[in-house]
Amino acid sequence: LAKTTQPISMDSYEGQEVNITCSHNNIATNDYITWYQQFPSQGPRFIIQGYKTKVTNEVASLFIPADRKSSTLSLPRVSLSDTAVYYCLVGDEGKDTGRRALTFGSGTRLQVQP
Amino acid sequence: NAGVTQTPKFQVLKTGQSMTLQCAQDMNHNSMYWYRQDPGMGLRLIYYSASEGTTDKGEVPNGYNVSRLNKREFSLRLESAAPSQTSVYFCASSEATGDAPLHFGNGTRLTVT
Repeated sequence: LAKTTQPISMDSYEGQEVNITCSHNNIATNDYITWYQQFPSQGPRFIIQGYKTKVTNEVASLFIPADRKSSTLSLPRVSLSDTAVYYCLVGDEGKDTGRRALTFGSGTRLQVQP
Repeated sequence: NAGVTQTPKFQVLKTGQSMTLQCAQDMNHNSMYWYRQDPGMGLRLIYYSASEGTTDKGEVPNGYNVSRLNKREFSLRLESAAPSQTSVYFCASSEATGDAPLHFGNGTRLTVT
């Protein structure tokens, strides 16, 4: 069962770069690492996914070291609207069937100040 | 294109009552999921359906049943509601289980008194 560990909360100011690190020591060989963003009263929204090295899209970058036991979500130049909870996920295997599904940890609450 | 639609948005039940939460997706996804989120907590997986005709237990299945009615619809039933089931329930879908990105609905806020 792959589990993830993230900081409970982080504070930042507008215009700064924010890096959120997630630990996943038991990640399986075929697991991808996926990050989601959740605003209050909404369902989570997919941000980025990667397997190794670096992935970048229009929203964020994801850095994954060679051992893949951790990953870092990087948000460049955050704004007030980036205030949200960020979740790091890796796949879990179903106990009886082996079918895999994503399970969430508690996430990191990011507060961006003006 | 509505994505994932959940009904109802809000519901209040008395202990012991039953109800069914409905979820439908229009993205032709194979896999569907039910999560619950308690205040200040992350999401916990209740049940999921890898494909039409299959359902599997997640982390917290006790007290719930599910039905994958067809490829589009995945319902969650509480047979005898308890106060501990007060939560926000999210339905999600994806192309496949495992690592495929999830697409979420906007949730059903359930209160059991």
